[in-house]
Amino acid sequence: NAGVTQTPKFQVLKTGQSMTLQCAQDMNHNSMYWYRQDPGMGLRLIYYSASEGTTDKGEVPNGYNVSRLNKREFSLRLESAAPSQTSVYFCASSDDYNSPLHFGNGTRLTVT
Amino acid sequence: GENVEQHPSTLSVQEGDSAVIKCTYSDSASNYFPWYKQELGKRPQLIIDIRSNVGEKKDQRIAVTLNKTAKHFSLHITETQPEDSAVYFCAASEGGTGGGNKLTFGTGTQLKVEL
Repeated sequence: NAGVTQTPKFQVLKTGQSMTLQCAQDMNHNSMYWYRQDPGMGLRLIYYSASEGTTDKGEVPNGYNVSRLNKREFSLRLESAAPSQTSVYFCASSDDYNSPLHFGNGTRLTVT
Repeated sequence: GENVEQHPSTLSVQEGDSAVIKCTYSDSASNYFPWYKQELGKRPQLIIDIRSNVGEKKDQRIAVTLNKTAKHFSLHITETQPEDSAVYFCAASEGGTGGGNKLTFGTGTQLKVEL
């Protein structure tokens, strides 16, 4: 039981390049989330998917897109990376409303 | 939307002492309040959570209290040990959402337990 798996672990991009962060969970959770973590700012929600087939914006969605591919997988895409998107990205999943979030190990992204 | 404030940002205690971290939230409809511990370079991991129908919850050396009237909740760690050194985050759910569990996090408290 791997929990939440994110790939890649590290990535360096040049400004303007695109990439997709992958996330998969094997806990049969309905809801999945993408957060970014920056020093001194905690974790901020980018997008979330309450259930398969739905996605909604979080607190900081600009510059990102998401796809809930199926119940297991939720990807985050940066179409044109900017230095302001340098951050650590965490994917998470939860069973339902008011239940704990389980986080993946994170992706450290640097945009130069 | 929800706003969560967390204090202090850093906390240094002697081994064996108690540590208290406090959070306030703005959305009176919030009803789920988890606490996460994050060690350096690792993912956040849940250590305890509380729902709004409960005022206090305890798990060994860790306890959380909730005051819904005042909209604040606190984490209490007793008999601190060096392995308690980490960053701790509080969070509050955004009440009334249609599914999912949108958590708003505090900015974190760096706890250092000194020998």
